[in-house]
Amino acid sequence: EIVLTQSPAVLSLSPGERATLSCRASQSVSSYLAWYQQKPGQAPRLLIYDAANRATGIPARFSGSGSGTDFTLIISSLEPEDFAVYYCQQRSNWPPFTFGPGTKVEIK
Amino acid sequence: QLQLQESGPGLVKPSETLSLTCTVSGGSISRSSYYWGWIRQPPGKGLEWIGSINYSGSTYYNPSLKSRVTISVDTSKNQFSLKLSSVTAADTTVYYCARHPRTAMVSDVFDYWGQGTLVTVSS
Repeated sequence: EIVLTQSPAVLSLSPGERATLSCRASQSVSSYLAWYQQKPGQAPRLLIYDAANRATGIPARFSGSGSGTDFTLIISSLEPEDFAVYYCQQRSNWPPFTFGPGTKVEIK
Repeated sequence: QLQLQESGPGLVKPSETLSLTCTVSGGSISRSSYYWGWIRQPPGKGLEWIGSINYSGSTYYNPSLKSRVTISVDTSKNQFSLKLSSVTAADTTVYYCARHPRTAMVSDVFDYWGQGTLVTVSS
């Protein structure tokens, strides 16, 4: 099973700042990595698939990059609605699909 | 707009079987390019994929849960269901249903989700 780790666990930033979130896989997942956003009391929302492709309706301030074992999600300028928990998910070697433990982006 | 809605008991006794149904509206569950999945999340914790099924009944399960999980589909009702047997307190989580596309463009992610339903295992 591929294990995903995310860092940092908590990211404290102000609106307008740039957020850089990391996801690392225990073995190569090629580019088969997705990112989700989850707000309190809501289901996760797909942001990015295959490392760098924005899902339908996702604003351009969200961008993903990486391949192999190291991936990055960047939010270029945080909007108030972007404060949430972000999860990565691999689809390279499944079953099972696995998710990272999440990074909470909180208001500083 | 595709919508998914989980339904089922919110309280299950230890050792019994948890049963949930996901009703899909705004689209057909029978489209060949889509699977339909179950994912769970303990309160305040991360996400765990349980399994997925397509319209013909082809399934994939998480090996860690496979011995206790059955996912089925009812295309006539546009629904799919989850059964988890021999539940314990560790199975107390929010259960989500989600669409799992397997298309050339987008594959093996979860792009539409239900709102989730909390199931508590307690006597």
